[in-house]
Amino acid sequence: DAGVTQSPTHLIKTRGQQVTLRCSPKSGHDTVSWYQQALGQGPQFIFQYYEEEERQRGNFPDRFSGHQFPNYSSELNVNALLLGDSALYLCASSFIAGGIADTQYFGPGTRLTVL
Amino acid sequence: GQQLNQSPQSMFIQEGEDVSMNCTSSSIFNTWLWYKQDPGEGPVLLIALYKAGELTSNGRLTAQFGITRKDSFLNISASIPSDVGIYFCAGGGSNYKLTFGKGTLLTVNP
Repeated sequence: DAGVTQSPTHLIKTRGQQVTLRCSPKSGHDTVSWYQQALGQGPQFIFQYYEEEERQRGNFPDRFSGHQFPNYSSELNVNALLLGDSALYLCASSFIAGGIADTQYFGPGTRLTVL
Repeated sequence: GQQLNQSPQSMFIQEGEDVSMNCTSSSIFNTWLWYKQDPGEGPVLLIALYKAGELTSNGRLTAQFGITRKDSFLNISASIPSDVGIYFCAGGGSNYKLTFGKGTLLTVNP
């Protein structure tokens, strides 16, 4: 049973560039949530995708956008990168149709460094 | 963004000792979750709690969902070196997003 997978593992970008991160949910899951984790902090909710639509969004600017595909995989896009965007980006999947959407399983994360 | 109040921030214990950590919030949650995170890895789900007052165990780990729905605790009994890591509590509401604490760093001395 495959868990949540994310790619790439690490990424280095410069200010102003754009980045795309990818996530495949755990087998049988239909919902993907994205979190940003700064060093020494807990994960902060960015947004959640279900049925290919954004259903919830945290306090992140419009530079952060996403997409969910028919196979439930998801992308996180960040435009006009800032130094402060350097963080571990985590993808979590859950099963809304199963009524336990809060039980989220995390992938290993993508470490983004903005120079 | 909002974070839960998690304590203690860090703990240094001897192997074999019991550990207790807790999490409080000013908001009510429908779900409480406890995760463990190793350096450079994603959080791993340890225990999920779905009802106020619920007490759930997973091996040496025991967690409870507070009656007020505003708090939760996690106990680890007879700690071992592989328990080292950062433990996070997370609250889930009706909006399906998770709100996390800042974590408890656990160090176990053999």
